[in-house]
Amino acid sequence: GQQVMQIPQYQHVQEGEDFTTYCNSSTTLSNIQWYKQRPGGHPVFLIQLVKSGEVKKQKRLTFQFGEAKKNSSLHITATQTTDVGTYFCAADLMIYNQGGKLIFGQGTELSVKP
Amino acid sequence: DTGVSQNPRHKITKRGQNVTFRCDPISEHNRLYWYRQTLGQGPEFLTYFQNEAQLEKSRLLSDRFSAERPKGSFSTLEIQRTEQGDSAMYLCASSRDLPYEQYFGPGTRLTVT
Repeated sequence: GQQVMQIPQYQHVQEGEDFTTYCNSSTTLSNIQWYKQRPGGHPVFLIQLVKSGEVKKQKRLTFQFGEAKKNSSLHITATQTTDVGTYFCAADLMIYNQGGKLIFGQGTELSVKP
Repeated sequence: DTGVSQNPRHKITKRGQNVTFRCDPISEHNRLYWYRQTLGQGPEFLTYFQNEAQLEKSRLLSDRFSAERPKGSFSTLEIQRTEQGDSAMYLCASSRDLPYEQYFGPGTRLTVT
């Protein structure tokens, strides 16, 4: 079945260092979403990417969607302790032209040492 | 906007018992989703509704699982004859038709002893 692979599983950084997580699919995606889950919390929507090669920025976060729409990345510049959490990519399979069924990656758990 | 709410937040049950969880979505959202999440994993899709219609149910779900959304508002997820492997966090989310960004509730943590 459809799988979304996300790497790395864990990333430990010093505050101020950059962080990147990568998401790969074996099939072309209609769109991809990114979520953040704080320890003990629930996933919170960050962004949705739809177009091939799309790049979106939210302050220190940069999201990219690959040209072939099979991969995506999230880059955080100059991490802060508030960035701690698990970042998930979620692929929208657009079943029967109905969007919304998301397949989540395994997530990348980010820890930031002050 | 009060967000997505789920009840109960925690449920401990003995193996073989039935349990039912409730999800109240954001009021103007007509799509509702159920996921299951275990430690160290991403949410796993279970089923979703558009209004009261159940559009898809994961093949991973056994016949012991059933979900309803009778009036297109709140939803219930029932697990019959619970097993220890059912222990997990059960998450509910809702969204508009477009865009599909999903808003998650706090989840119901199920422990089967």
